[in-house]
Amino acid sequence: DTGVSQDPRHKITKRGQNVTFRCDPISEHNRLYWYRQTLGQGPEFLTYFQNEAQLEKSRLLSDRFSAERPKGSFSTLEIQRTEQGDSAMYLCASSPYPPRTGELFFGEGSRLTVL
Amino acid sequence: AQTVTQSQPEMSVQEAETVTLSCTYDTSESDYYLFWYKQPPSRQMILVIRQEAYKQQNATENRFSVNFQKAAKSFSLKISDSQLGDAAMYFCAFVQGAQKLVFGQGTRLTINP
Repeated sequence: DTGVSQDPRHKITKRGQNVTFRCDPISEHNRLYWYRQTLGQGPEFLTYFQNEAQLEKSRLLSDRFSAERPKGSFSTLEIQRTEQGDSAMYLCASSPYPPRTGELFFGEGSRLTVL
Repeated sequence: AQTVTQSQPEMSVQEAETVTLSCTYDTSESDYYLFWYKQPPSRQMILVIRQEAYKQQNATENRFSVNFQKAAKSFSLKISDSQLGDAAMYFCAFVQGAQKLVFGQGTRLTINP
């Protein structure tokens, strides 16, 4: 399977706990994106990397959120001191750069439920 | 900032009929891409169709086609001969250059047998 993979697919946690999600992009893609999607809404941009450099962060990404892509391959998204409002689907996507078509390739997402 | 608006939260269509999903967007750029993505329940988002803004010809992919009106900043998706497997959330999305993809709010499409 050469698609974007995310782990875990589902995470249930208690308020105040820390959680970490991992994303493995398509191997030849040097851009990696994180989006958040709440029920019935469109994905909202959180941040993206080109290789290991984090090029943009949304205002949605509070200081409790941190994302890394240390070797320019997989990425992690950590949420510290989770709140109920963090419950959402966290989507990872990748693309080549320079872009050929503008298309992003998505993983199946990591669903977070904060109790 | 670019914005994408989908004014139809839900649509339904009879199997084998045709349905059109609406999308408008706002940008001051002249060169960009527009997309329709499909997100089936509990499954990953996949690309349905893509349109380059510099192309006047509307994109077509089998039963899926778009009506791209650049001056009106409108980008609708037509699904012909609707099938049960077409049931999903459909998202209109926009990207300019090498920037991030911006999505609309989505339209939930139901196919009635």
